[in-house]
Amino acid sequence: DAGVIQSPRHEVTEMGQEVTLRCKPISGHNSLFWYRQTMMRGLELLIYFNNNVPIDDSGMPEDRFSAKMPNASFSTLKIQPSEPRDSAVYFCASSTGTTRREQFFGPGTRLTVL
Amino acid sequence: AQTVTQSQPEMSVQEAETVTLSCTYDTSESDYYLFWYKQPPSRQMILVIRQEAYKQQNATENRFSVNFQKAAKSFSLKISDSQLGDAAMYFCAYRSISNFGNEKLTFGTGTRLTIIP
Repeated sequence: DAGVIQSPRHEVTEMGQEVTLRCKPISGHNSLFWYRQTMMRGLELLIYFNNNVPIDDSGMPEDRFSAKMPNASFSTLKIQPSEPRDSAVYFCASSTGTTRREQFFGPGTRLTVL
Repeated sequence: AQTVTQSQPEMSVQEAETVTLSCTYDTSESDYYLFWYKQPPSRQMILVIRQEAYKQQNATENRFSVNFQKAAKSFSLKISDSQLGDAAMYFCAYRSISNFGNEKLTFGTGTRLTIIP
């Protein structure tokens, strides 16, 4: 069974450009999470969805960041315009919402903004 | 708000020996989940072990076990018979279950484990 799929794995862009990160959760999982990992701030939750509805977006840094989940099998995280301080690894994770509550992580997207 | 503290930025252990990674957390809740995740150089986050706070018995998964001290808010990970493949960053994480629907994981800053052949 495929795990969480993220694309692209690596993204290099210039400051001011729009960046779109994509995630496909594990089939049957109804919760989806976007995390950002940096050396300075560690792993932090940006936003999470339950049944395609945003539940907690308190971690979204500013209006330049937006996330959508149009259906149960796809989510995007968009940064517009991008800035060098957005450089990080962005992880998508999903969970079933059952009592086990484990989150399964994708391989991450390493974003570099020049 | 909950916080998770890992006070050991780096640890090393001889292959086949045992090592313990420390984690403490701060919460006012009585029920919650705790996790240890492993992040090897591939950067994939892999769940190692989980513990429900209402369970007194410490969780074990093969060579991995935890020492859960609820009163002390301590959740250490013990790795027995260390193997080269155990080399990774290890993150402790907390998840509330009292706030129904909020599945947010709060992570510690991580401990980098090196295995010495």
